[in-house]
Amino acid sequence: DTGVSQDPRHKITKRGQNVTFRCDPISEHNRLYWYRQTLGQGPEFLTYFQNEAQLEKSRLLSDRFSAERPKGSFSTLEIQRTEQGDSAMYLCASSARDRGYEQYFGPGTRLTVT
Amino acid sequence: GIQVEQSPPDLILQEGANSTLRCNFSDSVNNLQWFHQNPWGQLINLFYIPSGTKQNGRLSATTVATERYSLLYISSSQTTDSGVYFCASWTASGGSYIPTFGRGTSLIVHP
Repeated sequence: DTGVSQDPRHKITKRGQNVTFRCDPISEHNRLYWYRQTLGQGPEFLTYFQNEAQLEKSRLLSDRFSAERPKGSFSTLEIQRTEQGDSAMYLCASSARDRGYEQYFGPGTRLTVT
Repeated sequence: GIQVEQSPPDLILQEGANSTLRCNFSDSVNNLQWFHQNPWGQLINLFYIPSGTKQNGRLSATTVATERYSLLYISSSQTTDSGVYFCASWTASGGSYIPTFGRGTSLIVHP
């Protein structure tokens, strides 16, 4: 059990550029979640997958955001045409049914849009 | 969706003191977790506690689901307990499943 990993850990990009983040969940965890966290706030839910199916999307997930989990293993979160307001920590978590869907978080990707 | 409120928002303690953090949620839930976020942003699992009481060393937690609150107890606090504590709750009904976090309690423990 190697834990949830995220890549990259930090990303600095210019406004208008596209960025993609990757999350590798704990193996055999069938659920995977994406959150966004800004300074002084708790994590805000963006979307979650059960296996490869995307089952919920928050209204926070604008058309510029897209997430995939093509084979039910790792997931990617892409932000197109980044804006300064996208600067935040992007967190990934995974969970499994046989553990009551207790969530385990990765270290996060800190995005700075200049 | 579910609303989650945490109190107090900030807490300053001397090493060795005890504290209680509270999490209120607006609707019945069947999942609740407590996390500690360290200075590097990593969320560390403390308890998965949809109901009842659990203890792990100096930390313990109690959730009273019927009254819609959970408590996290920290005894004999240490400087390494500093950070932000979050609770998150969610329920699975009708296929909908959206975890909601509170705004956290920021804890500073002075030596």
